[in-house]
Amino acid sequence: GEQVEQRPPHLSVREGDSAVITCTYTDPNSYYFFWYKQEPGASLQLLMKVFSSTEINEGQGFTVLLNKKDKRLSLNLTAAHPGDSAAYFCAVSVSSGSWQLIFGSGTQLTVMP
Amino acid sequence: NAGVIQTPRHKVTGKGQEATLWCEPISGHSAVFWYRQTIVQGLEFLTYFRNQAPIDDSGMPKERFSAQMPNQSHSTLKIQSTQPQDSAVYLCASSLDGTTNTEVFFGKGTRLTVV
Repeated sequence: GEQVEQRPPHLSVREGDSAVITCTYTDPNSYYFFWYKQEPGASLQLLMKVFSSTEINEGQGFTVLLNKKDKRLSLNLTAAHPGDSAAYFCAVSVSSGSWQLIFGSGTQLTVMP
Repeated sequence: NAGVIQTPRHKVTGKGQEATLWCEPISGHSAVFWYRQTIVQGLEFLTYFRNQAPIDDSGMPKERFSAQMPNQSHSTLKIQSTQPQDSAVYLCASSLDGTTNTEVFFGKGTRLTVV
């Protein structure tokens, strides 16, 4: 089955710096990719959903890149600020009726003022 | 919209006791998921209901764990004879129709501690 590896487990950056989190997956049939943010005591919040037909998606303050050849998904927070401090999780699902989200192990991001 | 509501937020049980966790999905959502989150294993899929029917319980431990959805407004996860290794945050989630194209909304979770 699908396996998702997420790196790094911990990331500490200064305010204004960029922060990059990367996930690699194994199933070439994976079709949907997700990034979630989890703040302490809060629920998982969907940041972005990416389909395999797209490669670059831009959100508010971040960019998601998908490299299907390398089976790699990355989240790049540009100009991070302390409010971005949280746990981030990637998740992958395979198309055609798979409702399971296979999550990465998470990255704890700390943005220092 | 209060989101997915999970109760209780924290539960402490003694080893060997039973624990029941409750989930109220978002009104109108037909799909309900249960996940378990631990430091060691991360986020693991447990089970999935659609229109109250169990569809996939491939992630559920075969013994002691059971899940029900008696009506469209709530689901329960029951753990019998709890063990310390059951300590985790149990997350419930719902989505409009359960397809991978629709957003999955998560509750804040129930932190279960087995002492």
